[in-house]
Amino acid sequence: EIVMTQSPATLSVSPGERATLSCRTNQSISSNLAWYQHKPGQAPKLLINGASTRATGVPARFSGSGSGTEFALTISSLQSADFAVYYCQQYNSWPRTFGQGTKVEIK
Amino acid sequence: QVLLVESGGGVVQPGRSLRLSCAASGFTFSNYAMHWVRQAPGKGLEWVAVILYDGNKKFYADSVKSRFTISRDNSKNTLYLEMDSLRGDETGVFYCARESLGYFGMDVWGQGTTVTVSS
Repeated sequence: EIVMTQSPATLSVSPGERATLSCRTNQSISSNLAWYQHKPGQAPKLLINGASTRATGVPARFSGSGSGTEFALTISSLQSADFAVYYCQQYNSWPRTFGQGTKVEIK
Repeated sequence: QVLLVESGGGVVQPGRSLRLSCAASGFTFSNYAMHWVRQAPGKGLEWVAVILYDGNKKFYADSVKSRFTISRDNSKNTLYLEMDSLRGDETGVFYCARESLGYFGMDVWGQGTTVTVSS
């Protein structure tokens, strides 16, 4: 099983600031990584797949990078709608696995 | 409109069974693999199981293997999760999710159904 490790667990950011979230895997997954945004009481939302490809309708302030075992999600200028929990997930192999999540909160 | 609607959640005693359903609409259900993902209170997302588009292949998380069964009825556009021998730590919200064509992540999610395992 591929283990996903996200850091930090919580990120306190002011609106308009940049946020960078990290995701690491215990073995190479090439670019087979997705990022999701999850708000309380809502369905998770796919933001990024292929490590760096934004899903349809996702604002350009979200960008993904990395390959192999180290990945990042950057939100260039945080908006109020962006405060949520973010998960990385690998789809390189079965079973699928998620990171434990990074909560982005208002500073 | 692409939609997934889960149902079947509720309160169940430890050791008992429960069946969840996920009704799909707005897309050709039989073309897509489908997942179940759960979230315990205060915890992160945990992948549970997947069934490929034709139902011929299924994969499970180790934590539910041999107790949970994923299935689908493409004629009814419905996904199922049969959960046996439920444990107290399996309380949470269960989401169904569509795997994108090409297997690039889960691109459509339902709102979830809540399962409470308690005596």
